[in-house]
Parts: sequence; C-alpha cells; structure tokens
Amino acid sequence: ETGVTQTPRHLVMGMTNKKSLKCEQHLGHNAMYWYKQSAKKPLELMFVYNFKEQTENNSVPSRFSPECPNSSHLFLHLHTLQPEDSALYLCASSQEEWNGELFFGEGSRLTVL
Amino acid sequence: QQQVKQSPQSLIVQKGGISIINCAYENTAFDYFPWYQQFPGKGPALLIAIRPDVSEKKEGRFTISFNKSAKQFSLHIMDSQPGDSATYFCAASRNNQGGKLIFGQGTELSVKP
Repeated sequence: ETGVTQTPRHLVMGMTNKKSLKCEQHLGHNAMYWYKQSAKKPLELMFVYNFKEQTENNSVPSRFSPECPNSSHLFLHLHTLQPEDSALYLCASSQEEWNGELFFGEGSRLTVL
Repeated sequence: QQQVKQSPQSLIVQKGGISIINCAYENTAFDYFPWYQQFPGKGPALLIAIRPDVSEKKEGRFTISFNKSAKQFSLHIMDSQPGDSATYFCAASRNNQGGKLIFGQGTELSVKP
C-alpha cells in the first residue's frame, strides 16, 4: 500500500460507545496529524505528532484521545462522543512538522447517534 | 486573527474560462500559503503553495497571486476544465509550523462543459 491509509472509512457509534480510528502512512514521514472536517466549516487541526511526540493539542475535548506508537501509525480513540462530533476525520502526514506539504488520507466518516 | 477568510463559497465557470478564488488573512506571522484541492470522497491534496517573498507562482494552469500589504492571496485556474471541478481550500501557517495549517472555508468549483 502507498500513501496514507485510514480505517474504518465509515463508522456509526452511539454516544456511550468506545471506538478507534486508525491511520497508517507508508511515506517515511515523521509528522502526523488529525484534522476534523465538518460540513460548511474549515478543516480544523486537532492534534500533531512529530517523531511520536505530541506537539499540538488544539483545545480538543478529552473524549478524543490520540495515540502515536511510532512515526507510521496514528490512532484516535473515541469515547462518550456527542452528535455534534459527527464529521469526517482526516489523517495527514508530512516529512517534518515544519513542512507544510501534507499528504491526507481519504478520511473516516463518523456518525454519532 | 487566526482566521483565513475564503470567497466565494461556490463558483460556476464555463469550460475554458478563468476561475478565481480569493483568500484573506490577518496574522502577519503567517508565512506559508498553500492551496489544496479535494474531490468528493477523497482527502485534500496539495495543489500549489507560495511564500511571502514572491508575488506570484505559476504551475501549469494554476497560479497563486500574493499581495503581502493587503494580506490577500488568490488562486487563478486558467483554461478551466470539467476535471477541475472540486472543492478548493486556501490555508496558511506560521514560520516553522508548516503542517499546522489554518484553512479557509472552501470553494466548491463547478466547471460546465
């Protein structure tokens, strides 16, 4: 596989569920990102990891918990979400954190009932 | 001050015409201005980017014009084609934080045959 791969592509969960989104990049990059894309809103940066270390938490509620075990994998753990959290969650990677050329995955479409 | 304002929200252009999308920013610390293209069901992909030391950058049919004093930049798509129909996002980031992008709201471009 090449590029940035996200699974699952679609996820429906209740407000009391716990689920995880997975992202894997095959580009040899050192920085990984979670962005949130809601309808009619700008893409919103959530978290940044550089060499496995978190360098940005953009005031994201604690019901979203990221994990970056290595430079190739990024997870977003979800628990007790709200309906307004329904959105497309995009993972991206770049060579380094300072490099603005982001390579995005196709996203995980989350629906919270 | 962190916002990037993008207009128009939607744009319809005839094949062969010029598509123009505008963005404005407030934060003078921004020094990297990319444009991303997103097709339905796909993640955004970098189209072209510019830094404030130049006023224009051209890649094929795509040109970024940058006006530092006005804090504005725009994307021009020459000879627009139906295959250019997509959503376009401008973005900005600060020095050495290239991947921490602040995105505009997006412009949905439709090129009619």
